[in-house]
Amino acid sequence: DAGVTQSPTHLIKTRGQQVTLRCSPKSGHDTVSWYQQALGQGPQFIFQYYEEEERQRGNFPDRFSGHQFPNYSSELNVNALLLGDSALYLCASSSPYRAGNTIYFGEGSWLTVV
Amino acid sequence: AQSVTQLGSHVSVSEGALVLLRCNYSSSVPPYLFWYVQYPNQGLQLLLKYTSAATLVKGINGFEAEFKKSETSFHLTKPSAHMSDAAEYFCAVSDDAGGTSYGKLTFGQGTILTVHP
Repeated sequence: DAGVTQSPTHLIKTRGQQVTLRCSPKSGHDTVSWYQQALGQGPQFIFQYYEEEERQRGNFPDRFSGHQFPNYSSELNVNALLLGDSALYLCASSSPYRAGNTIYFGEGSWLTVV
Repeated sequence: AQSVTQLGSHVSVSEGALVLLRCNYSSSVPPYLFWYVQYPNQGLQLLLKYTSAATLVKGINGFEAEFKKSETSFHLTKPSAHMSDAAEYFCAVSDDAGGTSYGKLTFGQGTILTVHP
């Protein structure tokens, strides 16, 4: 049973560029959340997708956007990259049917903005 | 709003010694609480979770945590540290409400555990 998979694992972008990160949730999960983890910090919630719609959003600017596909996979897009966007981006998946469900994380995508 | 405070950004113990990592939370609703471990250059792995059942929760790798509502704490312990326990540990609280897991976790800043031979 594959867990949460993310791609790419590492990438380098230049300021002002755009980036797309991809996530496939764990089998049987239909809810995908994205987190940003800056160096030395705990993960920060970006947003969550369920039934192909954004259900919750954290305190991130509109430059951060996402999408969920019918197969539950998801993309995170960041436009107009800033140096401060350099971080580990974590995808998490869960199923909403039981309270306190375990939330599984992928290995993350390391983004460096130069 | 929910928040998590992890006391001590770095904890150092000797192999075989007790591990105690502290976590205090703030939540306006009954919380669901989690401890995750992160090894270098890896994602997060769930150690254990509290979901309003038993207040003493046992997790993987010999870790356990006790939910104390009066102290708003959820400290992580392990009786005897092993070298392989060296990692960063994150406490998190979820805003589960109405029996639906929305999956939004609020994390603490993390505690780096070092284990000395």
